[in-house]
Amino acid sequence: QVQLQESGPGLVKPSQTLSLTCTVSGASISSGSHFWSWIRQPAGKGLEWIGRIYTSGSTNYNPSLSSRVTMSVDTSKNQFSLKLSSVTAADTAVYYCARENQGFDPWGQGTLVTVSS
Amino acid sequence: SYELTQPPSVSVSPGQTASITCSGDKLGNNYACWYQQRPGQSPVLVIYQDTKRPSGIPERFSGSNSGNTATLTISGTQAMDEADYYCQAWDSRTSFVFGTGTKVTVL
Repeated sequence: QVQLQESGPGLVKPSQTLSLTCTVSGASISSGSHFWSWIRQPAGKGLEWIGRIYTSGSTNYNPSLSSRVTMSVDTSKNQFSLKLSSVTAADTAVYYCARENQGFDPWGQGTLVTVSS
Repeated sequence: SYELTQPPSVSVSPGQTASITCSGDKLGNNYACWYQQRPGQSPVLVIYQDTKRPSGIPERFSGSNSGNTATLTISGTQAMDEADYYCQAWDSRTSFVFGTGTKVTVL
């Protein structure tokens, strides 16, 4: 059973960089058969796809966030990561990681990141 | 940017059928997925490739997609189906897009 777990600081100051890691268990990221995505959800609002990364390091980002997003993968740790720069209060949200498997499945439990001074 | 529009809310009586629509330009030309999100939980995929159910998803969940509208149908709705539902599709310009979300209330 594939499981994903997000980790990282729950509080980030405005203008700084948000950094999150997703640890995958029950499957190997390096198997090369899936993309791995980040998705976020502000409180009480809908879902927004941030971007995805393949085992090779190939990435696709949401055009609305692409100037601030960087994703990377560490196959030795079975992890992939998200960096979002120059954050503002509008970036406050629950951040999810998910496997792309003809849809996003499964999802991690999500981690709340608050942008505040 | 590409947008997927859903009704904000749908109400249904237990045992009845709930239909949730998702509208987008030429949506039928792309595959649609549907997710269920119960309060305080992560989304769960309930329909992929327009009509297919992942393992473990009850048969009462079904989907269709044609023209500009995808539809999620819940037959014989149960109290446990009360949740937010989101459609999702791929657009060549904006990559993955989610719908605005629909809150299903089982009265």
